Amino acid sequence: DTGVSQDPRHKITKRGQNVTFRCDPISEHNRLYWYRQTLGQGPEFLTYFQNEAQLEKSRLLSDRFSAERPKGSFSTLEIQRTEQGDSAMYLCASSLPMDEYRDRVQETQYFGPGTRLLVL
Amino acid sequence: GQNIDQPTEMTATEGAIVQINCTYQTSGFNGLFWYQQHAGEAPTFLSYNVLDGLEEKGRFSSFLSRSKGYSYLLLKELQMKDSASYLCAVHNQAGTALIFGKGTTLSVSS
Repeated sequence: DTGVSQDPRHKITKRGQNVTFRCDPISEHNRLYWYRQTLGQGPEFLTYFQNEAQLEKSRLLSDRFSAERPKGSFSTLEIQRTEQGDSAMYLCASSLPMDEYRDRVQETQYFGPGTRLLVL
Repeated sequence: GQNIDQPTEMTATEGAIVQINCTYQTSGFNGLFWYQQHAGEAPTFLSYNVLDGLEEKGRFSSFLSRSKGYSYLLLKELQMKDSASYLCAVHNQAGTALIFGKGTTLSVSS
């Protein structure tokens, strides 16, 4: 399978605990995005990487959230001191680098299966 | 700022045609996407419009009018498996993050 993969698929934790999620993008994609989705809402942007550089962060990304992409390949999203309001589906997406667009459709972001987090 | 509106729910019967509308307000337009999302699964890409007009892809077509800030997704010959949420999204001004609407839940009945 050459799509975006995420691990774990499900995580149940107690309030106050730290959790870490992993995303492996499509191999030739150098852009990587994290989104959060709650029930009945569309995905909300959290942060964006181009290679290993974190170029954009949403105001939703509080100080308890940190994301890394140390070698420009896989990425991790860590939530410290989890709160019940952090319960959501965390989605990762990847896309081609802009300078390789032959067709604008290649800007398309492809999503992984998501990690569903439940904070008790 | 950016804002996207789409109906919350729609119903249709197998074999019918349904049109899902999306209106958007954005400070800089860099393209509009439609995604399909089945319950509990990730969004999957359906279509992309950056120029005005209709893009057809099999049973699905998407239309864009930039002057009106309006798009629609047209689904023909509906099948039960088309029951899903349909998400309209636009790029942010930087052309990086996607800004999504809340999605339209389509229920197809026999």
